[in-house]
Amino acid sequence: DIQMTQSPASLSASLEEIVTITCQASQNIGNWLAWYQQKPGKSPQLLIYGTTSLADGVPSRFSGSRSGTQYSLKISRLQVEDIGIYYCQQASSTPYTFGAGTKLELK
Amino acid sequence: EVQLQQSGAELVKPGASVKLSCKTSGYTFSNYYMSWLKQMPGQNIEWIGNIYGGNGGTGYNQKFKGKATLTVDKSSSTAYMDLSSLTSEDSAVYFCARKNYGYNFFDYWGQGVMVTVSS
Repeated sequence: DIQMTQSPASLSASLEEIVTITCQASQNIGNWLAWYQQKPGKSPQLLIYGTTSLADGVPSRFSGSRSGTQYSLKISRLQVEDIGIYYCQQASSTPYTFGAGTKLELK
Repeated sequence: EVQLQQSGAELVKPGASVKLSCKTSGYTFSNYYMSWLKQMPGQNIEWIGNIYGGNGGTGYNQKFKGKATLTVDKSSSTAYMDLSSLTSEDSAVYFCARKNYGYNFFDYWGQGVMVTVSS
């Protein structure tokens, strides 16, 4: 199975700050990478797919990028509604696997 | 509007089975795969498997073979997951999620159902 190593596990940031979360894939997954946001007691919501494509309705302050097998999610100006847990998911091969999550909190 | 409505919380005894449902609306059920995913409290998300709404074809995570059985009822646009021989390790929230055909991501999710295995 492909392992997705996500970091950091938790992150505290201020409003308007730039936030970056990364995922390292254990092997080449090309651009088959998605990011999700999950709020307490809710189901995950798709943010980005295909490494860089924004899902419908997702604010443009979210962006995704890739360098080799390292993938990044960037929030350009953190807002209150961005608080939650973020997960990456490799979509290259089954079983689809997720990172362990990054808990984003307000400082 | 695409909607995935899951059945309610379950409290089941060890060794028993449970059948979860995911009723869909707002899209053509037979054109998409439905996936099921497991999330234990405070834990990572695991992909259990998926089933094609058109012909019921399935694919499973090896880890869940023998534990989960996926089925569909096209007439009611509903997906089901049977979980058997339940233990405390099966206590978790289970989600159904529609899988995008081209990119293999999950674009719509059910609200999740909590399954608690306890005597």
